[in-house]
Amino acid sequence: KAGVTQTPRYLIKTRGQQVTLSCSPISGHRSVSWYQQTPGQGLQFLFEYFSETQRNKGNFPGRFSGRQFSNSRSEMNVSTLELGDSALYLCASSLVGQGVSNEQFFGPGTRLTVL
Amino acid sequence: KNEVEQSPQNLTAQEGEFITINCSYSVGISALHWLQQHPGGGIVSLFMLSSGKKKHGRLIATINIQEKHSSLHITASHPRDSAVYICAVRSLDSNYQLIWGAGTKLIIKP
Repeated sequence: KAGVTQTPRYLIKTRGQQVTLSCSPISGHRSVSWYQQTPGQGLQFLFEYFSETQRNKGNFPGRFSGRQFSNSRSEMNVSTLELGDSALYLCASSLVGQGVSNEQFFGPGTRLTVL
Repeated sequence: KNEVEQSPQNLTAQEGEFITINCSYSVGISALHWLQQHPGGGIVSLFMLSSGKKKHGRLIATINIQEKHSSLHITASHPRDSAVYICAVRSLDSNYQLIWGAGTKLIIKP
């Protein structure tokens, strides 16, 4: 079974631009979560999607948005990029939904640099 | 106070030493995860625990639900074990959201 894939792996943007990151979960997984990791910081939860619905959201401004498609693939969008948005963005997929403890499988991440 | 606290933040040891990393949490949980992150960013799930103890190779994870505490042990440590080890709990209080510890950076010297 293929693992979680994220595209692109590396991205360089300038302030004010917007960016879209993509995540394809493991086949059969319906939950996709997004995280931001900045140098020296732990993972910060962005949001979680399950069956095309946003189920949980972290404390990030509205510039950060996402969606999930019927095939469970998910995209994350950041508008009006700021220097502080430079980070590793990680996507994780898991099999089932809310209320059930299940293992998360992580993608390799997209490293975003904002100049 | 963070809901998930890990200790130590940094740990340097010699090859072969027995390693213990601790995780304490303050919320009700349905499960606790231990993960490993290597330089470059890739994260691998090591264990998911809701009670007792699990073992995989040289890694052992334990959890005490009453004390809200978990430990990750590495026996016969090796330089390739050098990584950041992260504890995360699935909180009953926050819509089952995962709450992450800050991680423990482990360096094993040959």
